[in-house]
Amino acid sequence: KQEVTQIPAALSVPEGENLVLNCSFTDSAIYNLQWFRQDPGKGLTSLLLIQSSQREQTSGRLNASLDKSSGRSTLYIAASQPGDSATYLCAVASGGSYIPTFGRGTSLIVHP
Amino acid sequence: DAEITQSPRHKITETGRQVTLACHQTWNHNNMFWYRQDLGHGLRLIHYSYGVQDTNKGEVSDGYSVSRSNTEDLPLTLESAASSQTSVYFCASSEDVLAAYNEQFFGPGTRLTVL
Repeated sequence: KQEVTQIPAALSVPEGENLVLNCSFTDSAIYNLQWFRQDPGKGLTSLLLIQSSQREQTSGRLNASLDKSSGRSTLYIAASQPGDSATYLCAVASGGSYIPTFGRGTSLIVHP
Repeated sequence: DAEITQSPRHKITETGRQVTLACHQTWNHNNMFWYRQDLGHGLRLIHYSYGVQDTNKGEVSDGYSVSRSNTEDLPLTLESAASSQTSVYFCASSEDVLAAYNEQFFGPGTRLTVL
């Protein structure tokens, strides 16, 4: 059974810092990995999806990398802003059902 | 623009009542999912469907049912609501398990309180 872990559970940084969020998974036979953002009281917004054949994806200030052999993905946020404050979740699709398994998320606060 | 809508957005009900949460997507996606999100548990899969007339149980399906009569809708029914089912419910969809880029999209959620 796939297990997805996100460390740290919470992070507080000053505005302008570059930061890295981590996602690790136990079964490396994945189809894809997706990063989401969730604002308080809201649904999940898709940020980036990396297919198993890809090593990274970029969107604006966000860059997600994937290393299947080590069971790790990182989400890099450049020049963080207070508007980046949210919970970030990763989800890994694997196994015969293709159903994503979600991590518990990293709660990020960027203070001015 | 394509989207997923959920209704109602907030619902208060009493123990023992039957409740149906609606989910409608205009992506024309084959796959649809229902999750619940609770503090300390994260997102947990309730039911999912790979297409019309197809439904499957997730890890927390007891007390819930779904039916898929068309591509756009996957209503979630709580047969006899219990206080343990107080939660935030999210519907999601994705194109197809065989699609090369099978991105999952979420609705805004329904906050359900069972008294």
